[in-house]
Amino acid sequence: DQQVKQNSPSLSVQEGRISILNCDYTNSMFDYFLWYKKYPAEGPTFLISISSIKDKNEDGRFTVFLNKSAKHLSLHIVPSQPGDSAVYFCAASEKGSNYQLIWGAGTKLIIKP
Amino acid sequence: DSGVTQTPKHLITATGQRVTLRCSPRSGDLSVYWYQQSLDQGLQFLIQYYNGEERAKGNILERFSAQQFPDLHSELNLSSLELGDSALYFCASSRTAGHDGNTIYFGEGSWLTVV
Repeated sequence: DQQVKQNSPSLSVQEGRISILNCDYTNSMFDYFLWYKKYPAEGPTFLISISSIKDKNEDGRFTVFLNKSAKHLSLHIVPSQPGDSAVYFCAASEKGSNYQLIWGAGTKLIIKP
Repeated sequence: DSGVTQTPKHLITATGQRVTLRCSPRSGDLSVYWYQQSLDQGLQFLIQYYNGEERAKGNILERFSAQQFPDLHSELNLSSLELGDSALYFCASSRTAGHDGNTIYFGEGSWLTVV
């Protein structure tokens, strides 16, 4: 029973265009959502987060959108750069859970030159 | 470099055997977390230690155990290994007992292959 789902195992985008990575969740008690980026032979690193009281959070080229009614969040990267090629994980946590993160399976983003 | 060190990086062992994975947290971090990532799966939380004491438990099998030592390094012991235990095992650390997601730092992981 996957509470956090990333249905696209991989995504290929042209350099300079927008990359959109999607994530769906089932637990309506989740109130904090995060995106992590992982390069080969490295551990995941924090990228951007959003609280359930917001519907958008922006940090430079990265924007996360949250649609609570649809239980859906997305990560937009504009413009996409070759260094963005990595695996992106969506994760969620619930207040009172000691911030235990529930992770999606990841989406491999490939930026084509 | 996250500052979290895991050894060994790669390990191949036979079914039924026992292995120990080691983790040194970032300097000053008191919490250590262990995660398992199997093929095509997200990271599964196994267990957390804070300042030597077990803090939270996730989907950790009874065949697995962990501890955190006085110097704050941690070991994850996997015994009676099965083929399905083949996975990437991540250790992570944070300064406090909880974290808000952007203050947890991951090591490079230990690849375990059970044959």
